[in-house]
Amino acid sequence: ILNVEQSPQSLHVQEGDSTNFTCSFPSSNFYALHWYRWETAKSPEALFVMTLNGDEKKKGRISATLNTKEGYSYLYIKGSQPEDSATYLCAFMVTTDSWGKFQFGAGTQVVVTP
Amino acid sequence: NAGVTQTPKFQVLKTGQSMTLQCAQDMNHEYMSWYRQDPGMGLRLIHYSVGAGITDQGEVPNGYNVSRSTTEDFPLRLLSAAPSQTSVYFCASSAGTSVRQETQYFGPGTRLLVL
Repeated sequence: ILNVEQSPQSLHVQEGDSTNFTCSFPSSNFYALHWYRWETAKSPEALFVMTLNGDEKKKGRISATLNTKEGYSYLYIKGSQPEDSATYLCAFMVTTDSWGKFQFGAGTQVVVTP
Repeated sequence: NAGVTQTPKFQVLKTGQSMTLQCAQDMNHEYMSWYRQDPGMGLRLIHYSVGAGITDQGEVPNGYNVSRSTTEDFPLRLLSAAPSQTSVYFCASSAGTSVRQETQYFGPGTRLLVL
């Protein structure tokens, strides 16, 4: 069983501040990394699909980078707003399980206070 | 498009009972999967399917059965419910048989309580 770790487990951010957090994964046999945003009482929604070392993706104020050689991905939120409050999940896939086995991290819970 | 639908939304079972959690999608997605979500843990893959007639086990398959007779439906069967199966269950689907570049769309979840 692979270990996908997300840190920190939770963080509190003042409105307007920027923040970032990490998804760590085994660097061997990397195939794909996905980021999801999960709001309370809703279903996870996809943010980014990342497959290549050095990938950088951006959606509005949220962006992500990928380093497959060292086994981590960062997700950044610029100028946090209360609507950014959610749990952010990363999901990792290896080449040996490319048919469909994603392993999810436990998530980073972000709380943005006005 | 309704997307991914799940029924029921909430269910209470007694230990030893069996039931089927329903999942359907109307996006013609080849890939479908079932996850369970427990406090402090990420989503854990139970079973998945890359097309009608093809299923495989995920990380935590014990106590669950699946079948995929149509592209649209992917039911999850609990054979003999146990308190350890108390959880929130999510069904997800994505286009194509290679999910590397395809995002997953999640259903609203089924909350299951086993007494």
